[in-house]
Amino acid sequence: DIQMTQSPSSLSASVGDRVTITCQASQDINNYLTWYQQTPGKAPKVLIYDASNLETGVPSRFSGSGSGTYFTFTISSLQPEDVATYYCQQYETLPRTFGPGTKVDIK
Amino acid sequence: EVQLLESGGGLEQPGGSLRLSCVASGFSFSNYAMTWVRQAPGKGLEWVSTISGSGNYTYYKDSVRGRFTISRDNSKSMLFLQMSSLRAEDTAIYYCAKCRWGIRSDFHFWGQGSRVTVSS
Repeated sequence: DIQMTQSPSSLSASVGDRVTITCQASQDINNYLTWYQQTPGKAPKVLIYDASNLETGVPSRFSGSGSGTYFTFTISSLQPEDVATYYCQQYETLPRTFGPGTKVDIK
Repeated sequence: EVQLLESGGGLEQPGGSLRLSCVASGFSFSNYAMTWVRQAPGKGLEWVSTISGSGNYTYYKDSVRGRFTISRDNSKSMLFLQMSSLRAEDTAIYYCAKCRWGIRSDFHFWGQGSRVTVSS
């Protein structure tokens, strides 16, 4: 199975800060990576797919990059509504696997 | 508007069975692979199973293979997960999700989930 790791596991930042989360795959997944946002009590929502494609309707402050085994997710200017847990997930091979999540809150 | 609505969750004893259903609307159901993902209380997301648009191909997490069966009824735009020999570690919210395209794609849209509790 492909193991997905995320760093950091949690972070606290101020409104307007730039926030970056990294995701590393245990083997090459090309660009078959998605970033999800999950707010408490809600279902996950796709923000970025195919590593760098912004989902329709998602604010442009969210972005993703990377390929192979190393990926980054960035919020260019953190907003209060961005408080959530963010997960990366690979869909290169089965079983599909998720990272453990990064919890983001406001300082 | 894409909508996915799960049902069928509840409290079941270890060794018991439950059948989850997911009714889909707002898209051409048979054209898309569908997936079940679960989330144990306070834990992360875990892929469970995926089925192709035709229903001819199914894939499972190792720990549920042989106990869970994914299926679909394209005439009714419905997805199912038959769960048997339930274990305490199957306790989770189960989400039905639409794949963006085929099997190798992200989980584009999610339902609100159905809670399954396995306990005596």
